[in-house]
Amino acid sequence: GAGVSQSPRYKVAKRGQDVALRCDPISGHVSLFWYQQALGQGPEFLTYFQNEAQLDKSGLPSDRFFAERPEGSVSTLKIQRTQQEDSAVYLCASSFLTTSAGPSDPRYGYTFGSGTRLTVV
Amino acid sequence: KQEVTQIPAALSVPEGENLVLNCSFTDSAIYNLQWFRQDPGKGLTSLLLIQSSQREQTSGRLNASLDKSSGRSTLYIAASQPGDSATYLCAVPISYYGGATNKLIFGTGTLLAVQP
Repeated sequence: GAGVSQSPRYKVAKRGQDVALRCDPISGHVSLFWYQQALGQGPEFLTYFQNEAQLDKSGLPSDRFFAERPEGSVSTLKIQRTQQEDSAVYLCASSFLTTSAGPSDPRYGYTFGSGTRLTVV
Repeated sequence: KQEVTQIPAALSVPEGENLVLNCSFTDSAIYNLQWFRQDPGKGLTSLLLIQSSQREQTSGRLNASLDKSSGRSTLYIAASQPGDSATYLCAVPISYYGGATNKLIFGTGTLLAVQP
């Protein structure tokens, strides 16, 4: 597609419910990132995929958070037993480059999706 | 640990004014710095990317400067318009083991309102 697509745009979950957030990256983009943005804050890194491999999950806040990208394209971020502090906008970004290409590459850049706003009540 | 801060948190100006947004970072060993724009309910749009070897980048009415030694970047917006109203975020890649990654650390953003 022309951009990074995320669904659903909005999700209201009752505390304790499991949720799944979907990201469709730009076709051919190798790298995929998930970020969490709390209200009034900048995005914070959650996890990174290069193709189907999850190379960095250091930002996942707890073992209730799980992400996958089984075929190296669509990714799903799953949150189990949601809690109120999970309320945030979840942003997905994709990039043509791999991590090893480095930020000095002139093709460096990300495309962000519009995000999923999760509200846990 | 790299920390990125932005001042001011919010700014309101009348249309036509020139303005400056500030971004500070604690670790000067950065590879680049990006400025993003975020509209309400939308994702992030990249505005300007400054490599560590550069001092400034320009795109239309936007000019971003970078001073690594002082850990600062500024985004200058000339002749502001109501359509410039948005949140502006700066971000730097996290580097470790002497290498660079595409993982970004963001500032908290500056919410800009340009009054017609």
